[in-house]
Amino acid sequence: GQNIDQPTEMTATEGAIVQINCTYQTSGFNGLFWYQQHAGEAPTFLSYNVLDGLEEKGRFSSFLSRSKGYSYLLLKELQMKDSASYLCAAPRSNDYKLSFGAGTTVTVRA
Amino acid sequence: EPEVTQTPSHQVTQMGQEVILRCVPISNHLYFYWYRQILGQKVEFLVSFYNNEISEKSEIFDDQFSVERPDGSNFTLKIRSTKLEDSAMYFCASGGTSGRHTGELFFGEGSRLTVL
Repeated sequence: GQNIDQPTEMTATEGAIVQINCTYQTSGFNGLFWYQQHAGEAPTFLSYNVLDGLEEKGRFSSFLSRSKGYSYLLLKELQMKDSASYLCAAPRSNDYKLSFGAGTTVTVRA
Repeated sequence: EPEVTQTPSHQVTQMGQEVILRCVPISNHLYFYWYRQILGQKVEFLVSFYNNEISEKSEIFDDQFSVERPDGSNFTLKIRSTKLEDSAMYFCASGGTSGRHTGELFFGEGSRLTVL
């Protein structure tokens, strides 16, 4: 099965940097996703890592270490609109069923 | 840009009634999913569908639930005899094209079901 852990909440100020950690245990590895979910809305894709290392995409970067079963999402230059839940997710290798972590609620304060 | 569409966006129903939630996945996707999110809780997998049949269902997806792909475009979730605890946001998702699935799922905007 898939077991995904991430912190419940994080708070940061506008303009700051926040790092959201995720540890996972999966039966077979097929990459690691990060999704953003604003309250009452659908999850939207942020990033996908399948190789070790850092993937940068604008203000958001995602890191993966397969040997450690660890990933993080880095949000830089935080803006108020970044207040949302960030979901770490792992797909299963046969049917790509996506299992989500419980999500990390990030609150950006002025 | 192609997107997954869901109807209705909101539905209020009485306990014991049947509800059908509809989804139109992205047209060239082959894998379809329903997820549920109870308010304040995590996104939970309900069922996956591939090649016109269920490929997996979670323990939540009991005999009360069923899915259909009645034609080439729609993918429906039927909930029979709704219970109060079925109140949630239901997300449809699709992914994977012929010969390739990156694992990325595309989610619809969700259908919020309230059971009274």
